[in-house]
Amino acid sequence: GAVVSQHPSWVICKSGTSVKIECRSLDFQATTMFWYRQFPKQSLMLMATSNEGSKATYEQGVEKDKFLINHASLTLSTLTVTSAHPEDSSFYICSARTGGAGQPQHFGDGTRLSIL
Amino acid sequence: AQSVTQLGSHVSVSEGALVLLRCNYSSSVPPYLFWYVQYPNQGLQLLLKYTSAATLVKGINGFEAEFKKSETSFHLTKPSAHMSDAAEYFCAVSDGTGAGSYQLTFGKGTKLSVIP
Repeated sequence: GAVVSQHPSWVICKSGTSVKIECRSLDFQATTMFWYRQFPKQSLMLMATSNEGSKATYEQGVEKDKFLINHASLTLSTLTVTSAHPEDSSFYICSARTGGAGQPQHFGDGTRLSIL
Repeated sequence: AQSVTQLGSHVSVSEGALVLLRCNYSSSVPPYLFWYVQYPNQGLQLLLKYTSAATLVKGINGFEAEFKKSETSFHLTKPSAHMSDAAEYFCAVSDGTGAGSYQLTFGKGTKLSVIP
């Protein structure tokens, strides 16, 4: 149980294009979803937190107009990287959680984004 | 505020030897603690969690961790390392604050290498 599917797993695109990443909780309803960015050999950096039906809460330093997050249902959240540039290349990981503070986050397998 | 310190960015053990990965936390309230494992180019998989029940927590793949309040520690152990245990391990804490979002704070990770 507690499976989170993230798609696509790998994206290569040209600078200036927009890329959408989907995160789905397959067997549970996710009241909260999180988006992280991970640089090589580093820990996860939280980008934003989203609750179903509400606007996402972005961490300091994360551009909300560049990283658009939509959490339209209890099983789906999307991250759109708008007008992507090479510096946006990274490993993006989503997670989903149901319930309160003691419940763990369940992670997708990540998306490797490479902007040429 | 909460924080996590993982001592040792890289740990090497021989196959069959004891695995000990260290994690110390700081939290202003009783914490929820988690250990996750990450294999290359994948998301994070939950190994175990502490949520104020038993102080010795057993997880998957033979791992366990002991919560020691007096030492503010939550070290991860496994009696006998297997080659398949080679991965990156992250300790994380949630103190139940954050306006209901209960964000996780991650340590910087410890890369475990297993020598045959």
